[in-house]
Amino acid sequence: GAVVSQHPSWVICKSGTSVKIECRSLDFQATTMFWYRQFPKQSLMLMATSNEGSKATYEQGVEKDKFLINHASLTLSTLTVTSAHPEDSSFYICSADIAGGVNEQFFGPGTRLTVL
Amino acid sequence: RKEVEQDPGPFNVPEGATVAFNCTYSNSASQSFFWYRQDCRKEPKLLMSVYSSGNEDGRFTAQLNRASQYISLLIRDSKLSDSATYLCVVNLRAAGNKLTFGGGTRVLVKP
Repeated sequence: GAVVSQHPSWVICKSGTSVKIECRSLDFQATTMFWYRQFPKQSLMLMATSNEGSKATYEQGVEKDKFLINHASLTLSTLTVTSAHPEDSSFYICSADIAGGVNEQFFGPGTRLTVL
Repeated sequence: RKEVEQDPGPFNVPEGATVAFNCTYSNSASQSFFWYRQDCRKEPKLLMSVYSSGNEDGRFTAQLNRASQYISLLIRDSKLSDSATYLCVVNLRAAGNKLTFGGGTRVLVKP
């Protein structure tokens, strides 16, 4: 149980386009979903926290107008990278915690974004 | 100062040997601690939670020292499959279950 999926697993796009990444909890309801970014040889950096039905909370330095997060249901959150540029190329990972659960977050397999 | 600091390694370990490494955290209000394992180009996977009294899971032993604000991970009888990056993760629950990741310690187990 506690499986999180992400789609797509990888994407290559041209500079200036927008890319949407989906994060789904497949067998549980997630009160909160988290979006992370990981650059090569670096650790995961939390970008934002999203709660179902409310606006996401962004970490300092993360542009909310560039990284649009929608958490429309207890099983789906989306991250849209708007007007992507090469410096946005990264590994984007989502995680979810179980509604009413204790601490543990379950991670999706990640989406590797390459912007040309 | 980073919130969670780790020696990046790599730790080159002969197969069958024991390896141990630490992680320090800066926020004394941190409440939950974990070790995650991340393989190259994959998502992190929970290895074990770290409890105040220390805990063991097979060949893996984790310790927490709140006074000195560090946690440790020890791997006994290393296997080739233990080669990975080990991420120290701290949860400041007052901040809404946010996880803060260390930079990771790379372990390479060699035959």
